[in-house]
Amino acid sequence: DQQVKQNSPSLSVQEGRISILNCDYTNSMFDYFLWYKKYPAEGPTFLISISSIKDKNEDGRFTVFLNKSAKHLSLHIVPSQPGDSAVYFCAASVGGTYKYIFGTGTRLKVLA
Amino acid sequence: EAQVTQNPRYLITVTGKKLTVTCSQNMNHEYMSWYRQDPGLGLRQIYYSMNVEVTDKGDVPEGYKVSRKEKRNFPLILESPSPNQTSLYFCASSSHGAPYEQYFGPGTRLTVT
Repeated sequence: DQQVKQNSPSLSVQEGRISILNCDYTNSMFDYFLWYKKYPAEGPTFLISISSIKDKNEDGRFTVFLNKSAKHLSLHIVPSQPGDSAVYFCAASVGGTYKYIFGTGTRLKVLA
Repeated sequence: EAQVTQNPRYLITVTGKKLTVTCSQNMNHEYMSWYRQDPGLGLRQIYYSMNVEVTDKGDVPEGYKVSRKEKRNFPLILESPSPNQTSLYFCASSSHGAPYEQYFGPGTRLTVT
């Protein structure tokens, strides 16, 4: 039972355009969500997070949106750059616990 | 430099031969965790540790052991590896458990034949 789903295995976007990566979850107890970026041969690196008390969080070119009623979050990258080409994982957790559930990842390719 | 280190980075072994993958962090983090990454399955949590001598199971703990005798180290032990444990393994640490972001090591690619 995949509690966190990333239904798009890959996405290609032109440089300068917006990249939108999506993530759906099933567990209504999740109250904290994170996005990680992973380059080949490296470990994932933290990108941005959002608490369930918010519906939007921004950090530079990266914005995460949370729609609790739809159990859906999305990561927007504007403008996309070739260096953003990587695999992106969303992760969810119940605050105060020590367990994380990751999605299967979306491979983003930004075309120059 | 703040980092999580893992050793070895690559390992090929045979079924049943005990092995240990080491993980060390220099950030004085209380929380450490092990994950495996498999194609189509993403990252799955194996074990985690909230502090020294405190560990608990993640989603896929079968066939693995861990120990946390020191704050900085969190080794992953495969007592009797099997081919289905062939995977890419990541160690991570954070200052606390959820909801804090984790810092990941570079990964250990394990092949069990």
